[in-house]
Amino acid sequence: SQQGEEDPQALSIQEGENATMNCSYKTSINNLQWYRQNSGRGLVHLILIRSNEREKHSGRLRVTLDTSKKSSSLLITASRAADTASYFCATAGGSNYKLTFGKGTLLTVNP
Amino acid sequence: DGGITQSPKYLFRKEGQNVTLSCEQNLNHDAMYWYRQDPGQGLRLIYYSQIVNDFQKGDIAEGYSVSREKKESFPLTVTSAQKNPTAFYLCASSIERQTRTGELFFGEGSRLTVL
Repeated sequence: SQQGEEDPQALSIQEGENATMNCSYKTSINNLQWYRQNSGRGLVHLILIRSNEREKHSGRLRVTLDTSKKSSSLLITASRAADTASYFCATAGGSNYKLTFGKGTLLTVNP
Repeated sequence: DGGITQSPKYLFRKEGQNVTLSCEQNLNHDAMYWYRQDPGQGLRLIYYSQIVNDFQKGDIAEGYSVSREKKESFPLTVTSAQKNPTAFYLCASSIERQTRTGELFFGEGSRLTVL
């Protein structure tokens, strides 16, 4: 079963604008990860945030985690055309040894 | 360079045929995974292996089989029993056996089309 669910399903913005994607999940987690996938390619890990962390930064990426609301957000600042891709959240929790992925947000950055 | 290599990138299969997708990693990772991705969908776990000679079913294992005879290799066979095998298949690995803490490293995928 898929736990993470991204919102919106698709997002179109102009270059230079900020892009925000959200992820909601249902059960308790150990960590939450964000991945990026260019069309027809494999996924690339962007950032991991642990359940005891509230915010994390990596370059132009900012991830927040609210465990009380079971939600996370990914903010990409000053978007570039090269940021066009699908973005997935994945949750790891409980005693299982696998990540559960959402369906992703398709981000299009128009030049 | 270290990474995960999947082959072939594109594969066509006739109905009733078994096909094997290759996945090789030189990252010295313990754990390896196979995911299936359908258009507009997230990834669904087929099989995973935390150590050589051991593997576990994921959420959609029916019609698939795997082996893990070497640490570096985790081939996936799509059998004729898989009712709808046309999909994009992704192999991944993680440094730790327990993915509760680890990130996944992915290959570039294999696209299987059943004719």
